[in-house]
Amino acid sequence: QQQVRQSPQSLTVWEGETAILNCSYEDSTFDYFPWYHQFPGESPALLIAIRPVSNKKEDGRFTIFFNKREKKFSLHIADSQPGDSATYFCAARTGGSNAKLTFGKGTKLSVKS
Amino acid sequence: DMKVTQMPRYLIKRMGENVLLECGQDMSHETMYWYRQDPGLGLQLIYISYDVDSNSEGDIPKGYRVSRKKREHFSLILDSAKTNQTSVYFCASSFWGSSAETLYFGSGTRLTVL
Repeated sequence: QQQVRQSPQSLTVWEGETAILNCSYEDSTFDYFPWYHQFPGESPALLIAIRPVSNKKEDGRFTIFFNKREKKFSLHIADSQPGDSATYFCAARTGGSNAKLTFGKGTKLSVKS
Repeated sequence: DMKVTQMPRYLIKRMGENVLLECGQDMSHETMYWYRQDPGLGLQLIYISYDVDSNSEGDIPKGYRVSRKKREHFSLILDSAKTNQTSVYFCASSFWGSSAETLYFGSGTRLTVL
């Protein structure tokens, strides 16, 4: 049962390029969409998040684009740096009193210099 | 500084043994999670706890149970562990601030079931 689909599984970009990571979902009750990143040997950590009332959220070099009609959202990492190399997880959260956060399978990003 | 503590960091058990994974947080967060992480599968939700004795199944609860008797402690129990439960287990507590939810993850427990 995979409610959040993530692609690609792995991605390699050159330093300075824009990395694009994609996610899609099916459940219309999802109301919050965060991205987490995880460096090797470390725990996941929140990177950036968006609510469906917006179609774009920026934080420095990181931007989420959200398409509610198509149930898709993506993370764009501008001017990618080798230090951005990590695994990125998108997630979606249901609302209400029994809310839960479901993660995608992750995209392993490698930034080459 | 918000901190989630998991014990132990590494654990080796034999098939059929009982396993107790412990998680603590010092932030008085109401909601806590248990996830397992396997290569290529991402983070899979096992159980959620919304507060003391208020627990709910996640996406893969079979073979697991949880206990939350104090807000700061959330335990994951494997009764009669199986080899396919070999994984890295992460506990997390949830904090809402400025309309954003942040999950604070512990450092994980790497469980090997032989």
